[in-house]
Amino acid sequence: EPEVTQTPSHQVTQMGQEVILRCVPISNHLYFYWYRQILGQKVEFLVSFYNNEISEKSEIFDDQFSVERPDGSNFTLKIRSTKLEDSAMYFCASSNADHGDQSYEQYFGPGTRLTVT
Amino acid sequence: QKEVEQNSGPLSVPEGAIASLNCTYSDRVSQSFFWYRQYSGKSPELIMSIYSNGDKEDGRFTAQLNKASQYVSLLIRDSQPSDSATYLCAVNEGTDKLIFGTGTRLQVFP
Repeated sequence: EPEVTQTPSHQVTQMGQEVILRCVPISNHLYFYWYRQILGQKVEFLVSFYNNEISEKSEIFDDQFSVERPDGSNFTLKIRSTKLEDSAMYFCASSNADHGDQSYEQYFGPGTRLTVT
Repeated sequence: QKEVEQNSGPLSVPEGAIASLNCTYSDRVSQSFFWYRQYSGKSPELIMSIYSNGDKEDGRFTAQLNKASQYVSLLIRDSQPSDSATYLCAVNEGTDKLIFGTGTRLQVFP
């Protein structure tokens, strides 16, 4: 069964450093997302991406964050200068949403645990 | 602020019983509703989606939606210890993002 994959599973970085989190969405999916979950808190939307551009982003997704689809399979989240409060699980998700069918089912990858020290 | 509310639990049920999980949402224009299961330290796993008022059944799971009351629920029949997890309610209002509740922790004891 197709699944979303993410690398690395755990990333430790120092405050101020740049990190890139990588995702391979399900191959026939067209919509890609990043969410994060701080320990003990709810899953929060960061950004959605379709047709090689951001379609929606949250208040969390400020200028320190960027996303890219560098090739036909990968989808990346970059944090330019990490802060302590960026420590969280970061989930990539993808969807083959056909909005005419009201189908927005999103499938999540296993996540990357980011620890900023 | 659009909200999705869930009782954090834990909800404890004996093995074989029906577990009933509830969720309310604040935005009347919400269109799509989802239940995810999340084991500790793992990612959300999609269990059910529901878009229309009424019931939708899939195996031991039944999702119920009442848009007038802004209420969605998940019933798990014949609960098993392996069902012990946090169940996340998520709502999509016609844009791209899912809005999640804090989740209800379910404990199924033998």
